[in-house]
Amino acid sequence: NAGVTQTPKFQVLKTGQSMTLQCAQDMNHNSMYWYRQDPGMGLRLIYYSASEGTTDKGEVPNGYNVSRLNKREFSLRLESAAPSQTSVYFCASRPRGGGRPYEQYFGPGTRLTVT
Amino acid sequence: AQTVTQSQPEMSVQEAETVTLSCTYDTSESNYYLFWYKQPPSRQMILVIRQEAYKQQNATENRFSVNFQKAAKSFSLKISDSQLGDTAMYFCAFGLGSEKLVFGKGTKLTVNP
Repeated sequence: NAGVTQTPKFQVLKTGQSMTLQCAQDMNHNSMYWYRQDPGMGLRLIYYSASEGTTDKGEVPNGYNVSRLNKREFSLRLESAAPSQTSVYFCASRPRGGGRPYEQYFGPGTRLTVT
Repeated sequence: AQTVTQSQPEMSVQEAETVTLSCTYDTSESNYYLFWYKQPPSRQMILVIRQEAYKQQNATENRFSVNFQKAAKSFSLKISDSQLGDTAMYFCAFGLGSEKLVFGKGTKLTVNP
């Protein structure tokens, strides 16, 4: 199993450009998440999806949109990138119920720079 | 809303020694989960240890153990026999019956040879 994969690993955008970060998991998990990590701020939740077809806002959703394409894939879109969105973005997933509730499995991250 | 506080932004320890990282949290709930995640320079988030609030026994995973004090809302991580590979950011996280985890801001641990 590849676990949680993210593409791309690195990206540089100009202010105002748009892009989509892709995330996929092959662990048959129900829930998926998008976080951003900034120095000194820890991980902050942008959006999450508890199941296919549902999405909910997290702590810092402004400037982002998400799509839960199917059970495996959860994408994050920046419609008009701003320098404040320079960050490292992590996708995560977790199973529902089972022996290890609430533990999240993380992808390798995408480092995004907006100039 | 739940909050997680890690009061030590940076710590260092000599190889083979023991170090304790602090974490406190705020909640009015009685049933929840706590985690420590490790983030080495590779950036990958790795689960180190987890604790269920209804269990009184402190969790242990090899050289990693926790001191869970529910009444004090404290959840510290002890690393014994520190190794160079333990150098990383460590994040404390709190989870409820919802989908979400709340993370602390992290402690940067450096293990010196």
